[in-house]
Amino acid sequence: GAVVSQHPSRVICKSGTSVKIECRSLDFQATTMFWYRQFPKQSLMLMATSNEGSKATYEQGVEKDKFLINHASLTLSTLTVTSAHPEDSSFYICSARGYRGGLNSLEAFFGQGTRLTVV
Amino acid sequence: AQTVTQSQPEMSVQEAETVTLSCTYDTSESDYYLFWYKQPPSRQMILVIRQEAYKQQNATENRFSVNFQKAAKSFSLKISDSQLGDAAMYFCAYRSTGANSKLTFGKGITLSVRP
Repeated sequence: GAVVSQHPSRVICKSGTSVKIECRSLDFQATTMFWYRQFPKQSLMLMATSNEGSKATYEQGVEKDKFLINHASLTLSTLTVTSAHPEDSSFYICSARGYRGGLNSLEAFFGQGTRLTVV
Repeated sequence: AQTVTQSQPEMSVQEAETVTLSCTYDTSESDYYLFWYKQPPSRQMILVIRQEAYKQQNATENRFSVNFQKAAKSFSLKISDSQLGDAAMYFCAYRSTGANSKLTFGKGITLSVRP
């Protein structure tokens, strides 16, 4: 399958600071990227969908000013958690879908996830 | 809106045995995609198998197969010859056919494999 690289895998930040998480598609053009949040033993909760070059579409209840998403190129999307608080501590996962070998992929490929701890 | 239901939170299977994970969904669409994803302790999401709704034939990938019942809106996953490495959380997911459509996940089921 295609490769999506997410970085960092773990990050600890102080309350009130911002942290950026990167998601890169290494071998295909990611026209659409998705950002999820996951609590332990629970399902993935979609936060937002972004298309390359466009503003992200946020799910209901997700603060767009707190979770800034940028998808400026076909290989990179970033999620910035601004003014982080302990309640933002969670596991964040990106996934990407797009064109590979000229074909639009039916499936989404996932990054390894980022465990964010806000202290 | 589409919904995906996985009603069993946990299941256990003996190594080398067969186990079936259940999934039902609700949709008014006639064409769509269904997926089973595996999330091991590493938390990396791995695609196990996918099914296009317009295909009547059930998808199969090695030890993994599905029982797709479109009229009943059921999409169960059968794991044959279970291995210790199959222990993970499994998520059933639905996606519309639109280019930007999102995945709708079930709550997931935790599968344990007894040696």
